[in-house]
Amino acid sequence: AQSVTQPDIHITVSEGASLELRCNYSYGATPYLFWYVQSPGQGLQLLLKYFSGDTLVQGIKGFEAEFKRSQSSFNLRKPSVHWSDAAEYFCAVGVDNAGNMLTFGGGTRLMVKP
Amino acid sequence: KAGVTQTPRYLIKTRGQQVTLSCSPISGHRSVSWYQQTPGQGLQFLFEYFSETQRNKGNFPGRFSGRQFSNSRSEMNVSTLELGDSALYLCASSRPDRVGRNEQFFGPGTRLTVL
Repeated sequence: AQSVTQPDIHITVSEGASLELRCNYSYGATPYLFWYVQSPGQGLQLLLKYFSGDTLVQGIKGFEAEFKRSQSSFNLRKPSVHWSDAAEYFCAVGVDNAGNMLTFGGGTRLMVKP
Repeated sequence: KAGVTQTPRYLIKTRGQQVTLSCSPISGHRSVSWYQQTPGQGLQFLFEYFSETQRNKGNFPGRFSGRQFSNSRSEMNVSTLELGDSALYLCASSRPDRVGRNEQFFGPGTRLTVL
């Protein structure tokens, strides 16, 4: 079975600083990879996804992520964080033989200092 | 295009009662998935329905059930509620093709509190 680990439960960065959120997955083949963001009291919004091809994917709100097969990682990055980026971020994987089921990591709560 | 809607948004029940939550997917989406989100267990997959059939099921007891109607709307039911069922229940819809690699669109969730 697949699993996802987000090692950092909380991260605090200053506004304007760069950001990297870590995500590691465990699966025998290449999974489909997603990053979602959740603001308080809200559902999940998709930031970006990786299915195949170019390992650097661009998403909404200036986010990007890089798939590294050798490290089983799919880290999320943003060059300059804005106060409105404060939220919880979830990495998720989907696989071919499980319908549309997503397996989520535990999430990383991002706080932004002014 | 309207997003995924969930009703009700908030619900308070007592132990032993049952509850039904509703989800209306985005128009044209035929796959509906349900997730439970709690502080302790995080986001966990409950089940997925596609064309009125349960396609996949997570590791939850039989007290959790669901169904999907011909218009793709879905309901989930929890019987004999326990305190541990207090959670945010999220519904997600997606297009029917390219299973596994579909973008799933999430609703705002139903916050269930069991007293």
